[in-house]
Amino acid sequence: DIQMTQSPSSLSASVGDRVTITCRASQSIGGYLNWYQHQPGKAPQVLIYSASSLQSGVPSRFSGSGSGTDFTLTISSLQPEDFATYYCQQSYSTPRLTFGGGTKVEIK
Amino acid sequence: QLQLQESGPGLVEPSETLSLTCTVSGGSISSSTYYWAWIRQPPGKGLEWIGSIYYSGSTYYNPSLKSRVTISVDMSKNQFSLKLSSVTAADTAVYYCARHGRAIQLWLAYWGQGTLVTVSS
Repeated sequence: DIQMTQSPSSLSASVGDRVTITCRASQSIGGYLNWYQHQPGKAPQVLIYSASSLQSGVPSRFSGSGSGTDFTLTISSLQPEDFATYYCQQSYSTPRLTFGGGTKVEIK
Repeated sequence: QLQLQESGPGLVEPSETLSLTCTVSGGSISSSTYYWAWIRQPPGKGLEWIGSIYYSGSTYYNPSLKSRVTISVDMSKNQFSLKLSSVTAADTAVYYCARHGRAIQLWLAYWGQGTLVTVSS
């Protein structure tokens, strides 16, 4: 099974900060990596798919990069509505899916 | 617009079977393009994929839950269902149903709102 490891597990940041979250796969998954934002009481929503493609309607301050085993989600200028938990998820072994452990972004 | 809605008991007794149904509207569950999935989030923990089903009935389960999980599909009702047997308090979670692609759109683009299931006597 493919394991996904995210870091950090949590971070504190201020509005306007640049935030970077990393995700590492236990084996090469090419570009089959997706990022989700999960706010309390809501369903998760996809931000980035296929490692670097921005989902329609998602602000351009979100970006993704990487391939193989190492991936990054970047928020260029953190906004109040961005405080949430972020998950990576591999779809290389579809239909068997795996999520990372999550990164909680909190207000400093 | 595709919509998914979970339904089922919010309270299940230990050792019993948890049963949830996901009703799909705005699209057909018999599409050959997609899988239909169950995901859960225990309180204070991360997202966990439970399993996925194809309209043909082919199923794929998380190895850690495989012995207790059954996912089925009812095309006549445009629904798919989850059964999790021998539940314990560790199965208390918000359960989501979702859709992901088979060869395209390999991400979970559509989700239900989630339903909290508490395991307690």
